[in-house]
Amino acid sequence: DTGVSQDPRHKITKRGQNVTFRCDPISEHNRLYWYRQTLGQGPEFLTYFQNEAQLEKSRLLSDRFSAERPKGSFSTLEIQRTEQGDSAMYLCASSSLGAGGHGYTFGSGTRLTVV
Amino acid sequence: AQSVTQPDIHITVSEGASLELRCNYSYGATPYLFWYVQSPGQGLQLLLKYFSGDTLVQGIKGFEAEFKRSQSSFNLRKPSVHWSDAAEYFCAVGRGSTLGRLYFGRGTQLTVWP
Repeated sequence: DTGVSQDPRHKITKRGQNVTFRCDPISEHNRLYWYRQTLGQGPEFLTYFQNEAQLEKSRLLSDRFSAERPKGSFSTLEIQRTEQGDSAMYLCASSSLGAGGHGYTFGSGTRLTVV
Repeated sequence: AQSVTQPDIHITVSEGASLELRCNYSYGATPYLFWYVQSPGQGLQLLLKYFSGDTLVQGIKGFEAEFKRSQSSFNLRKPSVHWSDAAEYFCAVGRGSTLGRLYFGRGTQLTVWP
């Protein structure tokens, strides 16, 4: 198992464009999480899935943000009409249900720069 | 509401010196506590965790942390720091046995002098 994979690693986009990020979790993990991290801050929760069901969404996740996990495996995070304030590192993590004993496994993140 | 405070934004220590990074949490029930480390441009790596039992927990890379309920603290320690420990360290709290979301502190940047 190669851990949690995120693609792309870096994305530069013009303001107003749409972007989509992909996360491939550890295969046996049924939970998948998205976080956003800005410079000098800790990760902020965006949303998480258990299998294909989206169980919780943060108020940070505005209408321009949407996340999917259609088959309970990989997930995508889409940002529509990007704004400069969306520039951040977007982190994905996965875990097994009730895997507090294992915490999360994080991917290396996708760094988004909106110009 | 849950929250985590890491009062030290930046700490500098000499290689070989001892280290303690502070973490205070706010949570009404028994917390699930974590320390993660992040190198520049990378994701987060789990150092150690506490759920129950022995309040002194051992982690990877020679780190340990002590849970003190009376002080709502979960401080990270290492007896002798190596230059490779220079990174950003995040404390996090989760709720319940099914975990779900984590709440992170803002992090402490560790610089190690040779």
